[in-house]
Amino acid sequence: EAGVTQFPSHSVIEKGQTVTLRCDPISGHDNLYWYRRVMGKEIKFLLHFVKESKQDESGMPNNRFLAERTGGTYSTLKVQPAELEDSGVYFCASSQGSYQVWPWAYEQYFGPGTRLTVT
Amino acid sequence: DAKTTQPPSMDCAEGRAANLPCNHSTISGNEYVYWYRQIHSQGPQYIIHGLKNNETNEMASLIITEDRKSSTLILPHATLRDTAVYYCIVRVRGSQGNLIFGKGTKLSVKP
Repeated sequence: EAGVTQFPSHSVIEKGQTVTLRCDPISGHDNLYWYRRVMGKEIKFLLHFVKESKQDESGMPNNRFLAERTGGTYSTLKVQPAELEDSGVYFCASSQGSYQVWPWAYEQYFGPGTRLTVT
Repeated sequence: DAKTTQPPSMDCAEGRAANLPCNHSTISGNEYVYWYRQIHSQGPQYIIHGLKNNETNEMASLIITEDRKSSTLILPHATLRDTAVYYCIVRVRGSQGNLIFGKGTKLSVKP
C-alpha cells in the first residue's frame, strides 16, 4: 500500500511569488491534515479536511494560505504571495474515516514533507 | 487534550534498550497515549498507542502506569536508525482532530 506522498520535495521561491504544494493521501483515507514546522519551532497544525470539506482550519496563519481538496482525494496548499517567514517544512498526513475501525483510535500517517525556502 | 512532559534529550548505546518517559498527569479516562517519532528530514512516524494496558508491536513496547499518569516507550534493541525526536501525545478516543506536537525527546543512539 502506498503511503502519503507529497510534491515537490523541495521548493525555492522568491518573496512575493506563489507556490503550490500537493499531497496525495493514502487511498481510502477520508481525513487529510496539513502541518508545518518553521525553523527552530515545533510542528504546528494548519488544517484538517474530512473528504472535501474543511473540518478545522484554525491553524492557518493568514489569508495568504489557501488549501483545497477537490473530490476528496488529493489536496493542494497554495501560498500567495510567499513571505520569508513561510519558509519551513510542510507535512501532510492522512487517517481513516469516522468509526471504521475499533477502538476508534486513529493514527495519522505522514508524508515526507515539502521543504519550502522563500528568499 | 491533556498536556505531556518529556525530557528534552536522552542518549542510548546501540543494542541496548531505550526507555523514553512521558508524564501526562492530567490524562482523562477516555484519552489514549500515542507515540510518534521524527527521524531527521522525514515526516513524523506513528509508533504505538495505548489506553491502559501495556502494548507491544514490531517497533516498540508501551508501558502505561496503573494510574495512567505516566508512560514509557521502550525500544528493546536500539539501533543508530532509531536516532530521532520522539513525541508523546495524548488524544481523546475517537478524536480525528489534529495532533499537538510538543518539543519531544531527542534520542541519540550512539555506537
